[in-house]
Amino acid sequence: KAGVTQTPRYLIKTRGQQVTLSCSPISGHRSVSWYQQTPGQGLQFLFEYFSETQRNKGNFPGRFSGRQFSNSRSEMNVSTLELGDSALYLCASSKTGGNNQPQHFGDGTRLSIL
Amino acid sequence: SQELEQSPQSLIVQEGKNLTINCTSSKTLYGLYWYKQKYGEGLIFLMMLQKGGEEKSHEKITAKLDEKKQQSSLHITASQPSHAGIYLCGADDYGQNFVFGPGTRLSVLP
Repeated sequence: KAGVTQTPRYLIKTRGQQVTLSCSPISGHRSVSWYQQTPGQGLQFLFEYFSETQRNKGNFPGRFSGRQFSNSRSEMNVSTLELGDSALYLCASSKTGGNNQPQHFGDGTRLSIL
Repeated sequence: SQELEQSPQSLIVQEGKNLTINCTSSKTLYGLYWYKQKYGEGLIFLMMLQKGGEEKSHEKITAKLDEKKQQSSLHITASQPSHAGIYLCGADDYGQNFVFGPGTRLSVLP
């Protein structure tokens, strides 16, 4: 069974640009969550999508957005990139996203802002 | 919102030694998860604990959730270099989102 797949693995952008990251969940998983990981702040929840709807949202500015497609694949977009957006972005999937379900993570996309 | 603390922040042990990592919650835990992360990679799910007093083991790793469901420990017996990495505890934040502790960095010296 294939795991969670994130593309691209590495990305370099400059300030002011925008970026789109992609996540394909494990087959049969309908919940997809996104996290930002930085050395200073650790792992922080961005948002969760289930059945093409954003179900939960973390405390991030509106520059961070996402969407989910009918096949459960998800994308997240960051507009007007800032230096502080440099981070490892992780995607995780679970069957329905409810309590008491482990999330399974992809290897992440490392975004560097110059 | 729920906050998770982990101790120690980092740990260096000699191969073969036992070690324990702790995770403490500011609120009652309704689901506690342990993950392992190698630098720059994704998180690998280790175990999930739900009930007070619950204990689970996988190979040489044992995780426990205390009766009050506010503290969990991860114990590694006879550590090996393959155990090295960052261990994170995570919990459902009362249905709002998922929170993680800051992580414990483990190094195992051969």
